Amino acid sequence: AQKITQTQPGMFVQEKEAVTLDCTYDTSDQSYGLFWYKQPSSGEMIFLIYQGSYDEQNATEGRYSLNFQKARKSANLVISASQLGDSAMYFCAMREMIYNQGGKLIFGQGTELSVKP
Amino acid sequence: DGGITQSPKYLFRKEGQNVTLSCEQNLNHDAMYWYRQDPGQGLRLIYYSQIVNDFQKGDIAEGYSVSREKKESFPLTVTSAQKNPTAFYLCASTKDRVGNQPQHFGDGTRLSIL
Repeated sequence: AQKITQTQPGMFVQEKEAVTLDCTYDTSDQSYGLFWYKQPSSGEMIFLIYQGSYDEQNATEGRYSLNFQKARKSANLVISASQLGDSAMYFCAMREMIYNQGGKLIFGQGTELSVKP
Repeated sequence: DGGITQSPKYLFRKEGQNVTLSCEQNLNHDAMYWYRQDPGQGLRLIYYSQIVNDFQKGDIAEGYSVSREKKESFPLTVTSAQKNPTAFYLCASTKDRVGNQPQHFGDGTRLSIL
């Protein structure tokens, strides 16, 4: 069965420094996608970045990059130059790329990031 | 602007009462989803629908029901059979179930028991 593990319940980072949020996953499928979402205290889920299992390069979106290590089944999120507005919960999620599975996402437990001024 | 609208933002349920959470999208997405989030936890899938007039149970469907009569709408009913309904409920949709397109989420509904 699919599973996402985020082992860091909470993280602190100094403003302007980089931080890595860990995510490991378990799947027997060869074709899958990995997503990171940010959830501020207001509750909405904001999509940050995507990595496909066949993508050879690590995904990047602005200050966000994904350190994808397929053999280790890890997909860590790196946030560079942290800002106070980055304080939020961060969720890693996985989707099997099987058409009749409906595009369901499996979520990890989340990591609460606090950025200190 | 296109998006997903959930209402109400806050909802209170009395014992033995069914309540319905609304989810409307104008993104022209075929697939829609309902998730439940408990405090400090990740999201768990309740129900999903890949197309109008079709829906499937997720991991925690007991005590919930849905309908999908229109492409734009996917309401969730929390029935009296759901003994622990207090949670944050999020609705999502996507146009691409197998590719790189993410699920887009509404702002959520917080449900509490009176």
